[in-house]
Amino acid sequence: AQSVTQLDSQVPVFEEAPVELRCNYSSSVSVYLFWYVQYPNQGLQLLLKYLSGSTLVKGINGFEAEFNKSQTSFHLRKPSVHISDTAEYFCAVSAGSQGNLIFGKGTKLSVKP
Amino acid sequence: KAGVTQTPRYLIKTRGQQVTLSCSPISGHRSVSWYQQTPGQGLQFLFEYFSETQRNKGNFPGRFSGRQFSNSRSEMNVSTLELGDSALYLCASSPNPSGRITDTQYFGPGTRLTVL
Repeated sequence: AQSVTQLDSQVPVFEEAPVELRCNYSSSVSVYLFWYVQYPNQGLQLLLKYLSGSTLVKGINGFEAEFNKSQTSFHLRKPSVHISDTAEYFCAVSAGSQGNLIFGKGTKLSVKP
Repeated sequence: KAGVTQTPRYLIKTRGQQVTLSCSPISGHRSVSWYQQTPGQGLQFLFEYFSETQRNKGNFPGRFSGRQFSNSRSEMNVSTLELGDSALYLCASSPNPSGRITDTQYFGPGTRLTVL
């Protein structure tokens, strides 16, 4: 069975600072990996996904993530955050044969001026 | 294209009642998935429908059921509501003809269900 661990439930950071949100997964088969963002009172929006190929994945809003198979990680990074990046971020995994996502518990990113 | 719409946005029910939530996918999307989001359990997969057939199911009791219509609109029903069913229910649509999750899932804003 697959599982996802987001190591930090909350990450406070100052505006224009870099940020890394950590995600580790466990799976016995090859996986697809995703990062979603949820703004208050809204649904989830896909930031980026890793299906295959290059391990560095670039997404929307300046975010990127790196797939590390040996460490079973898929950390999300942004070199300089804005106030508008304040939201909750979810890492998710899906095994190749499954049609559903398994989500981590989420990381609340709080960007302060 | 219009996004995924969910109705109603907010709902208050009492224990023992039943509730039906509706989801209209993006035009052309035939796959609709439902997720439950709670502070304690996070986001959990309920089920997925494709072309009116349940294709995938999560680990929820039989009180949770769904269906999909020929126009791909989907409904989710919860019978005999319990306090623990209070949650944000999200639906997501995608083309997803293969059953694998490679296609992007587009989420609606959710229905906030409160059970008193």
